[in-house]
Amino acid sequence: AAGVIQSPRHLIKEKRETATLKCYPIPRHDTVYWYQQGPGQDPQFLISFYEKMQSDKGSIPDRFSAQQFSDYHSELNMSSLELGDSALYFCASSRTQGADYGYTFGSGTRLTVV
Amino acid sequence: AQTVTQSQPEMSVQEAETVTLSCTYDTSESNYYLFWYKQPPSRQMILVIRQEAYKQQNATENRFSVNFQKAAKSFSLKISDSQLGDTAMYFCAFMKHDFGNEKLTFGTGTRLTIIP
Repeated sequence: AAGVIQSPRHLIKEKRETATLKCYPIPRHDTVYWYQQGPGQDPQFLISFYEKMQSDKGSIPDRFSAQQFSDYHSELNMSSLELGDSALYFCASSRTQGADYGYTFGSGTRLTVV
Repeated sequence: AQTVTQSQPEMSVQEAETVTLSCTYDTSESNYYLFWYKQPPSRQMILVIRQEAYKQQNATENRFSVNFQKAAKSFSLKISDSQLGDTAMYFCAFMKHDFGNEKLTFGTGTRLTIIP
């Protein structure tokens, strides 16, 4: 079965650089969620999109922005990177219709800021 | 806002034994879901079990079962016949039922080690 695809799997950036993380949801899933998991921490919700519109926003820094495109894939853009942005970034997708909405996580993108 | 509390940072148990992980939550919502996720060293988030709040019957998935006490806002996970592959971080999570807006709120996790 198709899964949530995240790219890249690993990313190393220097401070003050910009990073773009991509998420490709499961086909026919209409909602995408982004989470940030710092070392030794639980995942924290960043932002979500339903039908290409932002549906909710969590503790996402102003330096970060995200969008969902017409093909439902989503990108998380992170600018002026700081050491504290080093984390595992998860994307998850789900669908609002159907008995099993299939909330599924991708394998994550590990971002290291040096 | 919802909060999820896992009071056991670490637990260990002998292989083949039974272990119970605790989770409590706080919410004013009436329509919600509760989850247990497993995160092995690969750091993949793997769904273990899901419980709909409106269902009185406790969810079970093979060796995994929950004890859902809605009034007490308690949601514990029981792992029977534990296996070495169960070694992982386990997160309890809460989700309000709201189409297109179903973020997960996680607890701080319990690191479970299965001892051979």
